[in-house]
This record gives sequence, C-alpha cells and structure tokens, in this order.
Amino acid sequence: SQQGEEDPQALSIQEGENATMNCSYKTSINNLQWYRQNSGRGLVHLILIRSNEREKHSGRLRVTLDTSKKSSSLLITASRAADTASYFCATDGTGTASKLTFGTGTRLQVTL
Amino acid sequence: DAGVTQSPTHLIKTRGQQVTLRCSPKSGHDTVSWYQQALGQGPQFIFQYYEEEERQRGNFPDRFSGHQFPNYSSELNVNALLLGDSALYLCASSSGTYNQPQHFGDGTRLSIL
Repeated sequence: SQQGEEDPQALSIQEGENATMNCSYKTSINNLQWYRQNSGRGLVHLILIRSNEREKHSGRLRVTLDTSKKSSSLLITASRAADTASYFCATDGTGTASKLTFGTGTRLQVTL
Repeated sequence: DAGVTQSPTHLIKTRGQQVTLRCSPKSGHDTVSWYQQALGQGPQFIFQYYEEEERQRGNFPDRFSGHQFPNYSSELNVNALLLGDSALYLCASSSGTYNQPQHFGDGTRLSIL
C-alpha cells in the first residue's frame, strides 16, 4: 500500500517558474526522501530530511518537513526543461530496517 | 565509481514461466532492496537483503523470492508468472549506516504475455 499522497498529481509550468509539490504520509518516520524519475527509468535520489529537521536545501531544491502534520514539501526554484520528470516522496519508517514507502508521485512538465 | 547495475534491461515472458533478475549494488553498499513499480504508480517494497539474509519483506506472495551473495549482489526470482507481474522492477542499495539514502538502478522492465 502507498504510504503517502503527493499533491498535485500533475503540474505544468513554464521555464523559470518555481514548482512546489506536497507530500502527506501516515505513520511515524525516521526520515523522508525525495526522488526524481525520468520516463519510467530508475529513481534519482534528490534529498533526505531527517525527522528532527524542519528544512533542508540542496542547490535549487528546498524541502520542508512538518512531522506534526505528517507532511513535506519540495520546492524547485527557477525550473528548467530538464526538470521535467515524476517526483516521489518516500518515507523510511521507524523500524530497524530501512524500507521505503513511496507516494503516488507528481508529474512535473516544464515548458519553454 | 559504478552505481547500481541491473540486468537484463527488458524481459518478455509468458504466464506460468519463471524469471530471475539481477542486481549489483553500488560500491561500498551492503544492503539490497527490491521494489516493484506498476505503470503510473509509486514503487512498492518487495524485500530487503542484508548479510545474505532476508531482513524485511513487503506484502508479496511466496512466488517472489530472492538471494544475496557474499559479494552483496542480489537476485530476484519470480515463479508462476501472472499478467499482473508486468512492471518495472527496481533494485536499490544502501549502506548499513542509519539514515542513509537508497540508490536505485535503472530497473528491469518485465512484460508478461
């Protein structure tokens, strides 16, 4: 079963604009990770935020985590056509083994 | 430094057949996880191997089995294939260190006819 839900399911923006994706989850977590997937290929790890962190930056990416609301957001600033992909959040539960539970994904389309 | 490699890239089988998928983890990683991704869905956890033992298992039937070798590489075996097994199968590796990201391969696209 899916742990979380991404919102929106699909997003279309123009190059240079910012893109914001949201993720909600259901159970307690050790960390939350965001991944990008191009055209049904493998997932590329973008950023990991631990449960005791509230915000993290990596280049044009900004991730926030609100454990009280069980939600996270991914902001991509100054988007580029190459950012076109599906984006997934994945939670790593509080068990000893790291098992990722993925959301349903947001399909981002960046047009010129 | 090679990342996670999976073989084959694509595979076509018929119902009832058996299939073996292979994965080599990223250098320095000792833990391998397998995921199934149906079209338009997020990946679903199948199982995880560490020290050649299955450490955790998702909600998949016994038709799905695996193995990890001493060099940390891994195989996923699926018996008695069903049409619903058609999916992208992803392998991910990680180190045993707490709170580390998983690194994914490009997957094996399995089609069942």
